[in-house]
Amino acid sequence: EIVLTQSPATLSLSPGQRATLSCGASHIVSNNYLAWYQQKPGLPPRLLIFDASRRATGIPDRFSGSGSGTDFTLTIGRLEPEDFALYYCQQYGTSPFTFGPGTKVDL
Amino acid sequence: QVRLQESGPGLVRPSETLSLTCSVSGGSLSGYFWSWFRQSPEKGLEWIGNFHYTGTTNYNPSLQSRVTISVDTSKNQFSLRLRSVTAADTARYFCTRGGGVVPTSWGQGTLVTVSS
Repeated sequence: EIVLTQSPATLSLSPGQRATLSCGASHIVSNNYLAWYQQKPGLPPRLLIFDASRRATGIPDRFSGSGSGTDFTLTIGRLEPEDFALYYCQQYGTSPFTFGPGTKVDL
Repeated sequence: QVRLQESGPGLVRPSETLSLTCSVSGGSLSGYFWSWFRQSPEKGLEWIGNFHYTGTTNYNPSLQSRVTISVDTSKNQFSLRLRSVTAADTARYFCTRGGGVVPTSWGQGTLVTVSS
């Protein structure tokens, strides 16, 4: 099983600032099949990025993904008030598909 | 716009079977992957398994001996059965749809508690 770690656990920032979230994998993620999700309280996760760097439909271009192999990054270019939430990475290159523990972006 | 809605008992007794249904509206089951995930404070987000409309299923090995995902195309629904549950199976359960294995549409989730 591929174990994903995320850092930092919490990122305290202000609107307008840039957020950089990291996701590390215990083994190479096949085909860079790595996704990022945003989750707000009481709601299901929302897909932001798939295939490490492709934005999902309707996702603003301030969200970008990068990385390959075992190290991946989600960047939020300029934080909007609605971006303060939990963010998870998930690998789907090797079964079982696994998630990281999340990074909380808060004020 | 596809809509997914989970339904089923909110309380299941230990050793019994958890059964959930996902009703799909605004789209058919054909052409997609249909998955179940769960989320708990203890384990975080966990992939349970998926079903492709061609009939292929794929399960998390940690749950494979206890889980079945099935589809009822006549009702536009798919289901999850998890046998021999314990308190560790207490979680919010989500059904999802994706063009590939990555889910792009999620239900709101349903909380299932395992307790006597």
